[in-house]
Order: sequence, then C-alpha cells, then structure tokens
Amino acid sequence: KNQVEQSPQSLIILEGKNCTLQCNYTVSPFSNLRWYKQDTGRGPVSLTIMTFSENTKSNGRYTATLDADTKQSSLHITASQLSDSASYICVVSAISGANNLFFGTGTRLTVIP
Amino acid sequence: DTAVSQTPKYLVTQMGNDKSIKCEQNLGHDTMYWYKQDSKKFLKIMFSYNNKELIINETVPNRFSPKSPDKAHLNLHINSLELGDSAVYFCASSQVTVTGELFFGEGSRLTVL
Repeated sequence: KNQVEQSPQSLIILEGKNCTLQCNYTVSPFSNLRWYKQDTGRGPVSLTIMTFSENTKSNGRYTATLDADTKQSSLHITASQLSDSASYICVVSAISGANNLFFGTGTRLTVIP
Repeated sequence: DTAVSQTPKYLVTQMGNDKSIKCEQNLGHDTMYWYKQDSKKFLKIMFSYNNKELIINETVPNRFSPKSPDKAHLNLHINSLELGDSAVYFCASSQVTVTGELFFGEGSRLTVL
C-alpha cells in the first residue's frame, strides 16, 4: 500500500535553532518527492523537489535529502526564523496511475522568539 | 496576479443547504484538483480534471459534484450540506509533467452549522 508518514507530528523550537523533519514512504514505483510549506490560512507552496538520482538539494536555509534505498527524506531548516512557523507536507509521486500523489499528514513547526 | 484563485474564502451555512465554491487558474495548466483538508490538516484528493475531463473521482459522497466549464475553471457544488462537510477546501492546478508541482489556491473554509 502506498503510504507517506511524517514525523514528528509537531515541533516547537527557539528562533535561530536548527531542526530536521522526517518523511518515510512506501510509494512505488517512485517518481519524485516534494516538500511543501503551508502557512496558516494559506495554500501549500512547493519548497523543493527530489528525484530518484538526487541525494541533497538546498533552497536557502532549507536542505532536503533523499535516500531512495531506505525510502526516507528529511527537510533540514537552518537558523530558524519566526516566519518558518508553518506546516510542512511531504508529497510523494508515483510514476503511474491517475491518482499518483500521496500526501503525508504534515509536521506542524512553531518557532518561538 | 493570483495564479489559482478560489471564492469564497469563507462560507458559513446551515445543514441541508446547497453551496458552491469556484476556482480559476491563469497558469495555463491542463489539470485541476479539489482537495479537502480536515481538522488534522490532512489533504485528501477529491476530484481531478484534465482538460475538462474527470480523471480522479475518489470515494466522495455524490452530494459533491465538480464541474469544469473549461480547463481554467473547476467549480465544486455541494448539496444537502452536513456537519461533517466542515473543512477547508483547496483548489489546485498542475501541468502534466514528470515533476507535477501543485499550485494551490488560498482555500475556502466551509463551516456547516
């Protein structure tokens, strides 16, 4: 069964600190994995995409990793800011099928001053 | 310019009423979606249209009826509203490519009293 699990469910950190969010998946055949950021009251916005051959990709203070062998991804946030407070959703695409997007339940990150 | 816009942003109504949510995208994408986000923030696919053709129809009560007059518009009509329909409904669009990034609207928060 195609599933995407994220951990932790929620996380509170101090401003300036780093944190890492996890995403484990069983989606097959794998096409790509995206991390989305959803601010409160807004729609999700894509942060980064990881394809099968990519191990690490950075987007500013956000660094995503992918281990296609263990089917795990992480999103590392460096020097957190208050504006990083949001839900982070991992979405895994399968290669085939009309409904080929599988969503994680998200991690709610709160950055406090 | 708003890429994916949906209206209304907020909707409060009584049980048993019928309501509609409208969505428009100006990105030139071929595919549009409706997602439901519950109180636990999980995004669940409801419907997807590709060039006005229904391609995804998940297990959704037939009180929900999508309509796509053209590939830039996807509306959602809900009959006989129930308490459990209270949620945030997101419209999204994507171009059918390998990467398949979703572009979301701001969401429509439906509250059924």
